[in-house]
Amino acid sequence: EAQVTQNPRYLITVTGKKLTVTCSQNMNHEYMSWYRQDPGLGLRQIYYSMNVEVTDKGDVPEGYKVSRKEKRNFPLILESPSPNQTSLYFCASHIGIPAGNEQFFGPGTRLTVL
Amino acid sequence: DAKTTQPTSMDCAEGRAANLPCNHSTISGNEYVYWYRQIHSQGPQYIIHGLKNNETNEMASLIITEDRKSSTLILPHATLRDTAVYYCIVRGPFYGQNFVFGPGTRLSVLP
Repeated sequence: EAQVTQNPRYLITVTGKKLTVTCSQNMNHEYMSWYRQDPGLGLRQIYYSMNVEVTDKGDVPEGYKVSRKEKRNFPLILESPSPNQTSLYFCASHIGIPAGNEQFFGPGTRLTVL
Repeated sequence: DAKTTQPTSMDCAEGRAANLPCNHSTISGNEYVYWYRQIHSQGPQYIIHGLKNNETNEMASLIITEDRKSSTLILPHATLRDTAVYYCIVRGPFYGQNFVFGPGTRLSVLP
């Protein structure tokens, strides 16, 4: 089954404790991205990657890092989490070639930073 | 800047067709119209997309006006499980272009 998986699904942590949220897709997609969703602000893109070793900032990249060492994986790293990073996070992927294609989303990771 | 305008919320009776409008008056000739929905806090789910012609799949129909400045998503027989936030997104075909999600329309299907 074609899917995007994220782990963990729920995480409660404390300020300053480094964490990584993993994202993996099994569709051989070139394009992957991370979004955060906050009440009243909708979905906002954090980082995206157009291929292995190619990453770029989205609209709200501050406080986040990403890496793309393999095509299937795109982890989101919070080096020093703060309470304002409490949010619902989604990873997404799509094939990336020109013309219309759908974007697949993971199930989400609900992060709480105390 | 938002490329699309949608009503904040809509109601629909169960079993009836739900017609969700979207305005995209600044759409470019090579930009697609996509529809996604998000049920509660799940990951957004792709519904349908189109460029110029009307499209239909097992979930919905997409009607795009001839001038392409607006479109309507039609759920032909809405069920309670169709209650969700529906997002209309305009996106170009070029590699790496992002999907920009606005606030969407909150559709409530009522029994």
